[in-house]
Amino acid sequence: AQTVTQSQPEMSVQEAETVTLSCTYDTSESDYYLFWYKQPPSRQMILVIRQEAYKQQNATENRFSVNFQKAAKSFSLKISDSQLGDAAMYFCAYEYIFGTGTRLKVLA
Amino acid sequence: NAGVTQTPKFRVLKTGQSMTLLCAQDMNHEYMYWYRQDPGMGLRLIHYSVGEGTTAKGEVPDGYNVSRLKKQNFLLGLESAAPSQTSVYFCASSYDLGRPQHFGDGTRLSIL
Repeated sequence: AQTVTQSQPEMSVQEAETVTLSCTYDTSESDYYLFWYKQPPSRQMILVIRQEAYKQQNATENRFSVNFQKAAKSFSLKISDSQLGDAAMYFCAYEYIFGTGTRLKVLA
Repeated sequence: NAGVTQTPKFRVLKTGQSMTLLCAQDMNHEYMYWYRQDPGMGLRLIHYSVGEGTTAKGEVPDGYNVSRLKKQNFLLGLESAAPSQTSVYFCASSYDLGRPQHFGDGTRLSIL
């Protein structure tokens, strides 16, 4: 069965700095999809970024990018130029399997 | 554009009572999902559906039943509520497993 592990329950970053959130997963499949979702205090789940496993190129969306290491089964999220509005819970997901989340605090 | 709508948003039940949570989506998505979110445990899949008339068990299906009689609706039922089912419940939908899920706003359910 597939599993997703987020080993950082909480992270902090200074405004305008860069932070990386870690995620590892386990699967025996060769083609699959990975996602990062953001959940602000409003509780709404918002897609941050999506990665297709058969694509070698790392996905990017503005200030958000991933470091996808297929052989290592690692899928980390890098947030550049952190903003106060980035403060939220971040969930890594392997299709419909979610990790336990990382709470990101952004310090002014 | 409504997206995914969950009804109700809040509910308090007594142990042993039954209830149904309704999820409706207007995006013509094939896949629909029910999750529960508990502190420190992320989102755990209860049941999901890959199309009208189909349902499948997820990670934590015990104590719940689901039905998808219409493509746009996915119902989650609690036949005999237990305090362990106190949680926030999210419904989501997607075109397929490779596409992002669209989530409802969640239902906070408390069982006394």
